[in-house]
Amino acid sequence: DTGVSQNPRHKITKRGQNVTFRCDPISEHNRLYWYRQTLGQGPEFLTYFQNEAQLEKSRLLSDRFSAERPKGSFSTLEIQRTEQGDSAMYLCASSFQDSNSPLHFGNGTRLTVT
Amino acid sequence: DAKTTQPTSMDCAEGRAANLPCNHSTISGNEYVYWYRQIHSQGPQYIIHGLKNNETNEMASLIITEDRKSSTLILPHATLRDTAVYYCIVRVYGGSQGNLIFGKGTKLSVKP
Repeated sequence: DTGVSQNPRHKITKRGQNVTFRCDPISEHNRLYWYRQTLGQGPEFLTYFQNEAQLEKSRLLSDRFSAERPKGSFSTLEIQRTEQGDSAMYLCASSFQDSNSPLHFGNGTRLTVT
Repeated sequence: DAKTTQPTSMDCAEGRAANLPCNHSTISGNEYVYWYRQIHSQGPQYIIHGLKNNETNEMASLIITEDRKSSTLILPHATLRDTAVYYCIVRVYGGSQGNLIFGKGTKLSVKP
């Protein structure tokens, strides 16, 4: 499968714990995006990378959230001191650098904070 | 905020064409119209995009009005597997802003 891969698919954690998600983009793509989706809503943009550079961050990305893409390939999204409001689906997408290139999404990591 | 308006839900009979409308009256000259769909528990799936000409691919057709203020996504022969939430998105071309801004979309239910 050469699509966007996200791990784990599901994560249950207790409030206050730290969690980390991984995204492996389509290998030829140099842009990588993170989105969050809550029940009944469309995905909301969090941040994106071009190669290893983080070019844009949404105001939704609080200081408890950090994303990295150290070698310009896979990316990690860490949430520190999780809160119940962080419960959501976290989606990763990738694309070519051309701003007109469609984003291709993974199937997400569903986070439940208890 | 999303710059598009879509009906909340629509029904379509299996085998018939599904026509999903979208209003984007404030679209700018450098913005494309994109369509994605999301089947339950999966990530959004890219369908098609266009600037001002009508577009067709193996999944769907996109009809954009001449003034570009609205568009219609057409699934020519809907199947039960086309049941999903369909998102219409306008996206700025060029510059550093590459992300998509999703609205709530249209929930399409294809019925036997």
